[in-house]
Order: sequence, then C-alpha cells, then structure tokens
Amino acid sequence: QKEVEQDPGPLSVPEGAIVSLNCTYSNSAFQYFMWYRQYSRKGPELLMYTYSSGNKEDGRFTAQVDKSSKYISLFIRDSQPSDSATYLCAMRNTNAGKSTFGDGTTLTVKP
Amino acid sequence: GAGVSQSPSNKVTEKGKDVELRCDPISGHTALYWYRQRLGQGLEFLIYFQGNSAPDKSGLPSDRFSAERTGESVSTLTIQRTQQEDSAVYLCASSLQGEETQYFGPGTRLLVL
Repeated sequence: QKEVEQDPGPLSVPEGAIVSLNCTYSNSAFQYFMWYRQYSRKGPELLMYTYSSGNKEDGRFTAQVDKSSKYISLFIRDSQPSDSATYLCAMRNTNAGKSTFGDGTTLTVKP
Repeated sequence: GAGVSQSPSNKVTEKGKDVELRCDPISGHTALYWYRQRLGQGLEFLIYFQGNSAPDKSGLPSDRFSAERTGESVSTLTIQRTQQEDSAVYLCASSLQGEETQYFGPGTRLLVL
C-alpha cells in the first residue's frame, strides 16, 4: 500500500464550479502538507503549504488538513479553464528533505 | 530571475548505455532534490543534497544510479547501464535552506529503447 493515496480522476467540471481534491496518507509522522499544480510537460509548482492540522486560504484556493483522519483536501472556488492541470499532494515529516507525493488528480475545467 | 534549469530536455538512449542528466539550481539555493516521475504517476524521491553532501539518498533505486553536486551549484544524476524501466521524466528541484518551497525545473524526459 502506498503511503499517500490520491484519486487519479480524471475530474471534469464546468467553469465556475467548486472543485474538491483529496489525499489520504498512512504515515502519522507527516507534518508538512503541500499541494502542487503541474501543467502538461512542465515541472510542478507549489500552490499551498500547510503545517500540521488546520485550514489555509489563498485567493480561490483553500487547503485543509485533518491529521486525526490522515486526510487532506484542496478546494478551488470559481474554477477557471486555466486551472486545468494535474494536482499533486505531497507531504513530509521535516521542514526539509524528502517529500512523498500522491499520483496526482487530472482536472479539466470546461468553459 | 532564472529558475531551475535542466539539460538535456529530452534524451533517447539504447538499453545498456550510460546517461548523465544535469541540473542547475537557482543561485543561492543550498538544497537540491532529484525526483523521478513515470507516466501518469506522482513524483518518486531519489536523493536530497544540502550543499554538496547528500544526507538522504534513500530513494536511489539501485547502484546503477548515482548523483553528485559541486559546491552549492550544479548537480548531475548518472544512470549506468540503462534499462527500459528507467524511462521517465527526471525532475530536479532546489530550495533555500530551511525554506519549504521547492522550485522545480522542467525535467529531462528519458526514453530507453
């Protein structure tokens, strides 16, 4: 079983919809949780970073971490066609070093 | 400023050949990471450098894989006697010491025939 599980989708939504992306994990030592966006044939770029449990909001993006359930989420409000990409969750147990990634969820936002 | 750069962008090689992949991190970034991404999958950690030392090389899949870094600059990932299962995108990332944000390069797409 993988340490980090992520539904690969694909997920297709109409423009303006609220998108919910999720990951579960098994390693209780994980304390740092990240969401990356990856466009086709590009490297991932960091969207959101959260330490421990709680919520973090940045514009249309909200990241939630529930360490008791070992479950993290990324919500995208008012989704746009430019949000179409693969979204990868990642986590690690220290501030630096190895990150463990999910397999990514492919999102398409249709105009 | 300039981001992380990687070369070559694409590499096609024959099974059994050695390949060398290069990563130029962002200037001043002390931490450097190598990951492998197979088609349709997430990133698989290979090795982490802090300066020119590698405190974590636990992800290197076999002794055919090695990496080195010159000071706090360029890193090379070498794959000896390549196999078809080595075909993947090899991604490099760098970050400031103690900084959580890793900045990724565009990757090197390796195809082993």
